[in-house]
Amino acid sequence: GESVGLHLPTLSVQEGDNSIINCAYSNSASDYFIWYKQESGKGPQFIIDIRSNMDKRQGQRVTVLLNKTVKHLSLQIAATQPGDSAVYFCAENIAAGNKLTFGGGTRVLVKP
Amino acid sequence: DTGVSQDPRHKITKRGQNVTFRCDPISEHNRLYWYRQTLGQGPEFLTYFQNEAQLEKSRLLSDRFSAERPKGSFSTLEIQRTEQGDSAMYLCASSPGGPLSYEQYFGPGTRLTVT
Repeated sequence: GESVGLHLPTLSVQEGDNSIINCAYSNSASDYFIWYKQESGKGPQFIIDIRSNMDKRQGQRVTVLLNKTVKHLSLQIAATQPGDSAVYFCAENIAAGNKLTFGGGTRVLVKP
Repeated sequence: DTGVSQDPRHKITKRGQNVTFRCDPISEHNRLYWYRQTLGQGPEFLTYFQNEAQLEKSRLLSDRFSAERPKGSFSTLEIQRTEQGDSAMYLCASSPGGPLSYEQYFGPGTRLTVT
């Protein structure tokens, strides 16, 4: 299938290790942040979200951290698996129902 | 399958031709969004609808682009007189709407290639 991002920053991680993907967002008024996973030839898939009134949120094997002071967002994936290989995008939203603004993606390659 | 669906999945057209894409959102989702994604980039917002009303259009949406959602359900995106620069993945997303609805669910996209 087609590659989602041919010239994206790439994170190579050994299967079983933890992954950390970083994202800098632009709008200090943003109220809501989402991480999406996009596999080749597919649309973005929701992973986890966080509101601006929180600094950490955990899901299944994933944790999102938000640092509003420096406008930084990170996604931590625990015990990375081959199925986690994809391009990951962060997105921000200033209000419910509004458009999402996406950051640059990061390609994660999981080595067996 | 109750997710967002898009048709066609792939479209190859010659420069100057018109193309139309369709998006079927998740049932009962009030908001529908169109984004465009080029290789190596994140999706970029084009336009969105609340039911049948088009509420916002990006400056990326030139006069050659038109989107409709006539009955508040499915939506179409038409590109007239296609140019090579229109080659991209066109993504549709939907959201339940309402004051607490931030999540957007994406379809698989339509890959457009203009030759």
